Amino acid sequence: DQQVKQNSPSLSVQEGRISILNCDYTNSMFDYFLWYKKYPAEGPTFLISISSIKDKNEDGRFTVFLNKSAKHLSLHIVPSQPGDSAVYFCAAIEETSYDKVIFGPGTSLSVIP
Amino acid sequence: DSGVTQTPKHLITATGQRVTLRCSPRSGDLSVYWYQQSLDQGLQFLIQYYNGEERAKGNILERFSAQQFPDLHSELNLSSLELGDSALYFCASTRGGGDYGYTFGSGTRLTVV
Repeated sequence: DQQVKQNSPSLSVQEGRISILNCDYTNSMFDYFLWYKKYPAEGPTFLISISSIKDKNEDGRFTVFLNKSAKHLSLHIVPSQPGDSAVYFCAAIEETSYDKVIFGPGTSLSVIP
Repeated sequence: DSGVTQTPKHLITATGQRVTLRCSPRSGDLSVYWYQQSLDQGLQFLIQYYNGEERAKGNILERFSAQQFPDLHSELNLSSLELGDSALYFCASTRGGGDYGYTFGSGTRLTVV
C-alpha cells in the first residue's frame, strides 16, 4: 500500500509558466515532507522541505504548500526553466520512524523552451 | 560529486548469482540508507544502518542483506538473483539524529539476465 502518492506520472509545461506538482499521502503520522529532484544517471538531490506545523515554505523559485486536513502537498516552480526538467519525488517522514523517508513514485517534469 | 560514492556504477549478472554493492557515505555521516528503484517505480526503502547497527527495515527481501562496517561504508548483498531484481540501487547518507537532508549517491544499475 503506497503511503505517498503522486498521481501524475508526467507533466509538460512551457518555459516561463508555473509548474505544479502534486502529492497525496495517507499516513496521518507523517510530520515532515520533502521534495527531491532527479536527473537521469544521477541520484536524487534534496530540493525543499516543509514541517507539518507550517503550510508554506518558499525557496527562490520553489514553493511547497501543505494542506494537512486534505493530506495533500504541492510543489510550485515559478517561473519554470528548461533546466527544471527532471523527475520530482515527493517524500514524507514519520518522526518516530528513525528518519526513514518514504518516497512517492515520482513525476517527470518536462519544461518546453 | 555528492560525496556519497557507490560502486560499481553498472553490473550485469546472470540469474541465480550473487552480487555485492558498495557505498561509502559522505564524510561525517553516520546513517546509511539503501533504496531500490525499479522501472516506473518510486524509491523503495530497503534498509537503514546507523553507526554500524541496523536501524530500520523496509521492503527488503530475505535474499538481500546488508551491513555497515566500522569505517561506516556499507555493502548490500543480493543473492539468488532473479530477473525482477534488475533495478537502480541507491545509497544515501545523513548525519542522523533528525538530519533529514539525505545525500544520495549516483546509484548502481543492476541488470540480471
